[in-house]
Amino acid sequence: DAKTTQPNSMESNEEEPVHLPCNHSTISGTDYIHWYRQLPSQGPEYVIHGLTSNVNNRMASLAIAEDRKSSTLILHRATLRDAAVYYCILVDSSYKLIFGSGTRLLVRP
Amino acid sequence: NAGVTQTPKFRVLKTGQSMTLLCAQDMNHEYMYWYRQDPGMGLRLIHYSVGEGTTAKGEVPDGYNVSRLKKQNFLLGLESAAPSQTSVYFCASSYPDTGVAFFGQGTRLTVV
Repeated sequence: DAKTTQPNSMESNEEEPVHLPCNHSTISGTDYIHWYRQLPSQGPEYVIHGLTSNVNNRMASLAIAEDRKSSTLILHRATLRDAAVYYCILVDSSYKLIFGSGTRLLVRP
Repeated sequence: NAGVTQTPKFRVLKTGQSMTLLCAQDMNHEYMYWYRQDPGMGLRLIHYSVGEGTTAKGEVPDGYNVSRLKKQNFLLGLESAAPSQTSVYFCASSYPDTGVAFFGQGTRLTVV
């Protein structure tokens, strides 16, 4: 299973954009890049996923490097409700979701 | 829609007791998963299933058994509970074509 590397924690001010990085240098050509987040005392929640092209949805944007060895989750305007642990996961054809330790995002009012 | 429902939500067991955790999904997903999450840690995959009647080991399968007799249900069993199995257990299910997973709200298990 390919591994991802994320910073342990990041901080942001409310209503400012947040860029959460993820390194995945051992990614294979068919691995999808998924992002999930986990709010306190809840199960993980799907945020976004992509393969090669940048992706946008109502929650966030995903920017994927041209060599696919890294990606960035972008929250365009952080709110207090976005405070959570964000997980970057590589998903192969087995569809096993192997979680790392994630990035804890703190949002300051 | 109920999504993914876990039963029970809380449980306290004595060492050596057995129990079964039930996960039910109403989205007709082929894939289902069981995870455990210890305090301050990420989720670790225990077992997973790619379809009715099939199961496979994940990262930390020892001490657990699973069954997928019906497509919508995935059962996690502890035959002889140990304090090291105190954790929050999450179930998930996913679409086979996208891998996008939906998680239950968790079962908090304490083994004393």
